[in-house]
Amino acid sequence: SYVLTQPPSVSVAPGQTARITCGGNNIGAYSVHWYQQKPGQAPMLVIYYDGDRPSGIPERFSGSNSGNTATLAINRVEAGDEADYYCQVWDTSRDCPVFGGGTKLAVL
Amino acid sequence: EVQLVESGGDLVQPGGSLRLSCAVSGVTSTPHWMTWVRQAPGKGLEWVANIKEDGSETNYVDAVKGRFTISRDNAKNSLYLQMNSLRVEDTAIYYCARDVALAGLHWFDPWGQGTLVTVSS
Repeated sequence: SYVLTQPPSVSVAPGQTARITCGGNNIGAYSVHWYQQKPGQAPMLVIYYDGDRPSGIPERFSGSNSGNTATLAINRVEAGDEADYYCQVWDTSRDCPVFGGGTKLAVL
Repeated sequence: EVQLVESGGDLVQPGGSLRLSCAVSGVTSTPHWMTWVRQAPGKGLEWVANIKEDGSETNYVDAVKGRFTISRDNAKNSLYLQMNSLRVEDTAIYYCARDVALAGLHWFDPWGQGTLVTVSS
């Protein structure tokens, strides 16, 4: 089955750019979606189709995808961005979604 | 704006059954695929099942096949998950979400707040 690999944690200072990676075999051929989950809350979609933002998601959030790595970038990080972030693709060979293991973003 | 509210989570013994519900409000005239995703305590997200707009197609993760059944009642704007032969490893928060299916791709937006299922003796 298709496997997505995320770093367990990423730390960044306020105002800096956080980059969270999602690795997978030829992931560039897939569409990647990203979810933010704050403590005690449900996940929320922040990026779909590699780099599109749902309405209401700040422009500080962006996504890219190429080769074997997809990346979620958060510019001008704020304390309120502390959360777990999950990447997700649709595995067409098995007709089911696959989630990455999640990355905890810590704002120092 | 679509809103989802899950209910039905409870403490149940291994081997028992439970039925989760998800009430959908703020719907458009067109139904969507719907999905259930679960999250074990302190763990990541695991997709459980999804169902097509008209209920004609359902899919399940291998771990629940033959034990869980997803269904929907579009007249009541409701989604269900019937869970039988529950195991300790089914303990999790269960989220329902709208399954946005476009060109063969699926992503999930929005999500409900979740309902906790605890399987323990």
